[in-house]
Amino acid sequence: EAGVAQSPRYKIIEKRQSVAFWCNPISGHATLYWYQQILGQGPKLLIQFQNNGVVDDSQLPKDRFSAERLKGVDSTLKIQPAKLEDSAVYLCASSLVGGLAEQYFGPGTRLTVT
Amino acid sequence: GQQVMQIPQYQHVQEGEDFTTYCNSSTTLSNIQWYKQRPGGHPVFLIQLVKSGEVKKQKRLTFQFGEAKKNSSLHITATQTTDVGTYFCAGNNDMRFGAGTRLTVKP
Repeated sequence: EAGVAQSPRYKIIEKRQSVAFWCNPISGHATLYWYQQILGQGPKLLIQFQNNGVVDDSQLPKDRFSAERLKGVDSTLKIQPAKLEDSAVYLCASSLVGGLAEQYFGPGTRLTVT
Repeated sequence: GQQVMQIPQYQHVQEGEDFTTYCNSSTTLSNIQWYKQRPGGHPVFLIQLVKSGEVKKQKRLTFQFGEAKKNSSLHITATQTTDVGTYFCAGNNDMRFGAGTRLTVKP
């Protein structure tokens, strides 16, 4: 069974530029999560999708971050414009359903903002 | 909102020693999940606890969920170098992860 795919694996941009990350969850997984993990910290949930609907985006900085999952399968996370403090690993995870299901994480995208 | 605190932040042990990390929530949790993240890797699911007072074992790992469903612990018996990594708990009410406990093991 293929795991959660993410691309790119690494990205370096200058502040005020924009960037987009892509995630393809495990086939059949209805729930998709985007996390931000700053070095030395635990993952911080940015947004949770159930199929193509948003379940929780309370911690998403909506002035600069946006995410979509139009067909209920793969998803993109965008940052525009980026700030220095956005430097982090962006993790995508999926689960069969939300709530009580274990999450499978992708390898992450390491973003460096200079 | 829900806050999940983990202690200790770091733990360095000699191989063969035991290790315990604790997770405490300010609110009652519906369930709790534990993950392990190896250096440079991504979090990998270990277990989920749902019932008050629940205890689950996986080989040398023992997981407990408190009676009040506000705290949890992970205990590793006789650590091995393969146990190295950061252990996170996550309260499943809204998937807030603790800061993690980073375990290093000296051979």
